[in-house]
Amino acid sequence: EPEVTQTPSHQVTQMGQEVILRCVPISNHLYFYWYRQILGQKVEFLVSFYNNEISEKSEIFDDQFSVERPDGSNFTLKIRSTKLEDSAMYFCASTLAESDTQYFGPGTRLTVL
Amino acid sequence: AQSVSQHNHHVILSEAASLELGCNYSYGGTVNLFWYVQYPGQHLQLLLKYFSGDPLVKGIKGFEAEFIKSKFSFNLRKPSVQWSDTAEYFCAVTAGRTGFQKLVFGTGTRLLVSP
Repeated sequence: EPEVTQTPSHQVTQMGQEVILRCVPISNHLYFYWYRQILGQKVEFLVSFYNNEISEKSEIFDDQFSVERPDGSNFTLKIRSTKLEDSAMYFCASTLAESDTQYFGPGTRLTVL
Repeated sequence: AQSVSQHNHHVILSEAASLELGCNYSYGGTVNLFWYVQYPGQHLQLLLKYFSGDPLVKGIKGFEAEFIKSKFSFNLRKPSVQWSDTAEYFCAVTAGRTGFQKLVFGTGTRLLVSP
């Protein structure tokens, strides 16, 4: 069964550094999402992406965040200057149709020191 | 804005016990409802979903959930749990029939099933 994959599984970085989290959605999916889960808190929506542009973003998704689909397979989340409070598990998800079930990747645990 | 409440943060059961996890949502319009499960060290997996039709939804691994519109609830049930059901369970909702369906999650319920 096709799966969403994410790399790396764990990223440790220093405050102020840039990080890029990578996702490979299911190959024929068209709609892409990033969510995050701070330890002990609920999973929160960050951004949705379709047709090479952001369709919706949350208040969390400020100017430090950006997303990109650089080629036909990858979907990336960039944090330009990481803060301590960016430490969280980041999940990528994809769907075939806009109202379809979202399939999640295994997540990247980001630790900002 | 939509919100989802899961009443039980931690549940401990013995094998063969029955399970019911509560989920309530706040949104007055049309909703799609989901239960996701996250086994230790694994990613979020869909257990079941409700879009329309029969409000009693059957999912994988013997789980089911009932959508009660008047109570804004979508409780998850399983008649007899197994040790392998130990996991965290998330209720989630998306709203509307069109547009991008961001998921709004509850806080999750950690289930521990003792053998």
